[in-house]
Amino acid sequence: DTGVSQDPRHKITKRGQNVTFRCDPISEHNRLYWYRQTLGQGPEFLTYFQNEAQLEKSRLLSDRFSAERPKGSFSTLEIQRTEQGDSAMYLCASSWNRGDTDTQYFGPGTRLTVL
Amino acid sequence: ILNVEQSPQSLHVQEGDSTNFTCSFPSSNFYALHWYRWETAKSPEALFVMTLNGDEKKKGRISATLNTKEGYSYLYIKGSQPEDSATYLCASYSGGGADGLTFGKGTHLIIQP
Repeated sequence: DTGVSQDPRHKITKRGQNVTFRCDPISEHNRLYWYRQTLGQGPEFLTYFQNEAQLEKSRLLSDRFSAERPKGSFSTLEIQRTEQGDSAMYLCASSWNRGDTDTQYFGPGTRLTVL
Repeated sequence: ILNVEQSPQSLHVQEGDSTNFTCSFPSSNFYALHWYRWETAKSPEALFVMTLNGDEKKKGRISATLNTKEGYSYLYIKGSQPEDSATYLCASYSGGGADGLTFGKGTHLIIQP
């Protein structure tokens, strides 16, 4: 299967700990997106990369969040000093070119629970 | 800030019946409207990307229409089957030049045998 993969699928952590998630996009896709979904809401855009360049960040992405895509392939999303409000499903998506008119293909998500 | 609304929030349909639900979005600065189906424990699955007013797209028993002038899209499912049970999300292009999609909260569809 050559779809988008995410690791881990589930993460439970204690408040104040740091966590890191990984996303492997579809190999020929040059755009990679991170979204967050909280209970009862639709996914909310966090940030995206064109190759290795991070081109857009949402206001939702506080300074405790950082994302990288070092070689334009996989990406990591790190949350420092986690808070209970960070509990959510973190989704990654990739697309070939334009995210508005090109289909974004999603991974299965990482579900984070902060105790 | 783009506001994408979906209705109803949840829907119970008898197997074999047809159903439809709505996505509304601001019509100004419209670029594209995306529909996804999201089953529990799986990845959201892309159904359609629609860009032109009057667009109608079909995939098996599922079809969608788009009205960009009034800012709405309908998703139709003909002859519902248990495997159609899922959350259906629509998403529009964020305002301000960002390439992230703005999603609605989804319609949770349950097909009853």
